[in-house]
Amino acid sequence: GAGVSQSPRYKVAKRGQDVALRCDPISGHVSLFWYQQALGQGPEFLTYFQNEAQLDKSGLPSDRFFAERPEGSVSTLKIQRTQQEDSAVYLCASSSSLGQEGGGYTFGSGTRLTVV
Amino acid sequence: DQQVKQNSPSLSVQEGRISILNCDYTNSMFDYFLWYKKYPAEGPTFLISISSIKDKNEDGRFTVFLNKSAKHLSLHIVPSQPGDSAVYFCAASEGNTGKLIFGQGTTLQVKP
Repeated sequence: GAGVSQSPRYKVAKRGQDVALRCDPISGHVSLFWYQQALGQGPEFLTYFQNEAQLDKSGLPSDRFFAERPEGSVSTLKIQRTQQEDSAVYLCASSSSLGQEGGGYTFGSGTRLTVV
Repeated sequence: DQQVKQNSPSLSVQEGRISILNCDYTNSMFDYFLWYKKYPAEGPTFLISISSIKDKNEDGRFTVFLNKSAKHLSLHIVPSQPGDSAVYFCAASEGNTGKLIFGQGTTLQVKP
């Protein structure tokens, strides 16, 4: 597709439930990022992939969070045993390169997760 | 400890006037700074960037100024249009990590 696609757009989960959020990056984009945006805040880095390799997962808030990109294209962010503090918009971004030269990353519209 | 700060949560300007959005940072190792614009229910959209070796970058109505000694950057929008009404995020990156550190955002309202 022309842009970064994320699904579902909205997800309501009961506390303790596992969820999986999907990101389809722009075709051919090597770099893929996940960010978490809490209400009224800026996006916060979670993890980064270059092709299928997860090069940085320093932003994952706990071991309940897990991300994968097995074939170097589609990525899934999984949250186990969701808690209320996990409620946020989860943004995926992709880029054809790693550096910032000439422009930033293309973001998807995000998945709004609400844990009740 | 926020490395990138946008101290003004909101800004309101009249159509046709200049909008100035400010951003401060603490990490002198940041080498690229970016501005993103975000409409409700959409992801952030890249607007303009500047390398730390420059002090100004201009793209149409948008100009970003960087003052490294003050660790401060600003985005100027001239002239402001109602369609510019959105949340603006300042972001910074360090080296080739690819990781962006975002500020909290400033909501700009341009009144017709």
